[in-house]
Amino acid sequence: EIVLTQSPGTLSLSPGERATLSCRASQSVSSSYLAWYQQKPGQAPRLLIYGASSRATGIPDRFSGSGSGTDFTLTISRLEPEDFAVYYCQQYVTSPGTFGQGTKVEIK
Amino acid sequence: EVQLVQSGAEVKKPGESLKISCKGSGYSFTSYWIGWVRQMPGKGLEWMGIIYPGDSDTRYSPSFQGQVTISADKSISTAYLQWSSLKASDTAMYYCARPKNTARSAFDIWGQGTMVTVSS
Repeated sequence: EIVLTQSPGTLSLSPGERATLSCRASQSVSSSYLAWYQQKPGQAPRLLIYGASSRATGIPDRFSGSGSGTDFTLTISRLEPEDFAVYYCQQYVTSPGTFGQGTKVEIK
Repeated sequence: EVQLVQSGAEVKKPGESLKISCKGSGYSFTSYWIGWVRQMPGKGLEWMGIIYPGDSDTRYSPSFQGQVTISADKSISTAYLQWSSLKASDTAMYYCARPKNTARSAFDIWGQGTMVTVSS
């Protein structure tokens, strides 16, 4: 089973700042099979990025994904108030499609 | 509109059985996989398993194999997650989700979640 480790656990930033979230895999993951989700309290997760760098339908272009192999990054170029949430990465190259433990982006 | 609608919250006692549901609409239910994801209180997401309603091909995470059963009734476009004997540790929010294409795809459509509380 592929283990995904996200860092940092919590990111304290102000609106307008840039957020950089990391996801490291225990073994190589084809970039075609890495996704990022956003989850707000009381809501289901929402797909942001799939295939490591493709934005899902309706996702603003301030969200971008990059990376390959074992290291992947989600970048939020300028934080909007609605972006403060928990973010998860997921690999789906193998079954089970494991998730990282999450990074909370909180208002500083 | 493509959507997944899950059954309502449940409160059960340890040892009881339970079956929760996820109804798909707005797309060809038999052409897409449906997965189940657990989220324990205050915790992260865990991939439980996935089913292809077209032929009932089912895959489980080793962590959940033998603990739950995933099934589907394509005649009513509904997937199920069931327990034969609940434990307090099954208390969690359970989401169904649909991958974009194949089983090896990101989940782009999510149900609203079903909260299961197991308490004596």
